[in-house]
Amino acid sequence: NAGVTQTPKFQVLKTGQSMTLQCAQDMNHEYMSWYRQDPGMGLRLIHYSVGAGITDQGEVPNGYNVSRSTTEDFPLRLLSAAPSQTSVYFCASRSDSRGSTEAFFGQGTRLTVV
Amino acid sequence: AQRVTQPEKLLSVFKGAPVELKCNYSYSGSPELFWYVQYSRQRLQLLLRHISRESIKGFTADLNKGETSFHLKKPFAQEEDSAMYYCALMGGAQKLVFGQGTRLTINP
Repeated sequence: NAGVTQTPKFQVLKTGQSMTLQCAQDMNHEYMSWYRQDPGMGLRLIHYSVGAGITDQGEVPNGYNVSRSTTEDFPLRLLSAAPSQTSVYFCASRSDSRGSTEAFFGQGTRLTVV
Repeated sequence: AQRVTQPEKLLSVFKGAPVELKCNYSYSGSPELFWYVQYSRQRLQLLLRHISRESIKGFTADLNKGETSFHLKKPFAQEEDSAMYYCALMGGAQKLVFGQGTRLTINP
């Protein structure tokens, strides 16, 4: 059971380049989210999804796009990378069960935009 | 809107001393609150949730709705408690929102 898998682990981009951060989970979780982690800012929610075909914006969505065509995958797209997007990105998933459910995180993608 | 505030970015205590990591939240409804921990070179993981009223690794946290707080406490700190701690709130639309995090260092 792999849990939540993110690829790549490290990436360097030039300003203006585009790329997609991949996130896959094998736990059949309905909810998936993307966060960015910056020093002093904590984890900020970028986009989230409550199921296949449904996405919504979080706290800092500008510059990022997402889609959820399957339950397993939730890719995050940077259309035109900017230095301000240099960060560590985390994907998380959790189930849609009654009560307080645990979120499971990927190992993170460290992105540098130069 | 839902917001989580952790006022201390850094906290340093000696081994055996009590630890308290502060967390305050803002949410108009009935929140679900969590503490997550990230040890060095490990993934972020759940430490405890208020709904379970549990003690994990000696840590406890009590939800105080009057003060809108969910502080994390441990009576006797251990060196292996050194980590980054995040308080989180799940409110409307099933959004899970985190605070700024507190880096806890336990000195020998």
